[in-house]
Amino acid sequence: ELKVEQNPLFLSMQEGKNYTIYCNYSTTSDRLYWYRQDPGKSLESLFVLLSNGAVKQEGRLMASLDTKARLSTLHITAAVHDLSATYFCAVDPNTGTASKLTFGTGTRLQVTL
Amino acid sequence: GAVVSQHPSWVICKSGTSVKIECRSLDFQATTMFWYRQFPKQSLMLMATSNEGSKATYEQGVEKDKFLINHASLTLSTLTVTSAHPEDSSFYICSARRIWMNTEAFFGQGTRLTVV
Repeated sequence: ELKVEQNPLFLSMQEGKNYTIYCNYSTTSDRLYWYRQDPGKSLESLFVLLSNGAVKQEGRLMASLDTKARLSTLHITAAVHDLSATYFCAVDPNTGTASKLTFGTGTRLQVTL
Repeated sequence: GAVVSQHPSWVICKSGTSVKIECRSLDFQATTMFWYRQFPKQSLMLMATSNEGSKATYEQGVEKDKFLINHASLTLSTLTVTSAHPEDSSFYICSARRIWMNTEAFFGQGTRLTVV
C-alpha cells in the first residue's frame, strides 16, 4: 500500500521567511503533484512533476522531485500572507490509464504579518 | 486548463434521504473519474474510481450500496449518497483525467454535504 507523508503538518511562519515542506512516499513513482487548498474550497493545481530531478517554480513557490529518495519538496521563498493555505502532495503510482492518486497528510501553512 | 464542474456546491438534507452529486468534465472526455471524501482538517480519501460504461471500483471500507456511482457518459459521473446519516456529512470532491492521458488530474469545486 502506497503511503505518502508530509511534514510538517502545521507551519506558522512570518512574512519574508523561507521554508520547505517535505513529501515522502513509500513506493517507486515518477509522478507527483502539489495542490493548494483554501478553507472550504477544492484543490488548486500548483505543480506537476513527471520525472526524476524535475524542478518547477511559480512565483514564491518551487517544487522538486527526487524519485530515488522518494522525496519531493515545496520550497517557499519570502512568504507572504496570501500563501496561507493547506498544501497537499499527491503521488501517482503510474500503473496505467486509471492510476489513482494517493494524497499526503497535508501541511497547513499560516503566514503571519 | 481543463474544467471539471461539480454540482451542487453545497446541500443540506434530512437523515434517511438520498442525495445525488454530479461531476462533469466540461471541455474534455474522461474515461475515469475519481470520488474523494474529506473530513475537516484531514486529507482527501479516495472512495471509488468511476469507469465509463462499467461498474465503479470501491476502496476498502467504502459501502458500495450506500455510495452509488454511475458513469453514464465520458463527461458525467454521479455519486448518490443513499439513506444519508449525519456521519456522512463531509466534503465530497470529484476529479477526472483526460481520456488516454494519464497526467494531470482536474478537480471539481467540491460539494459540502450536511445531513441533519
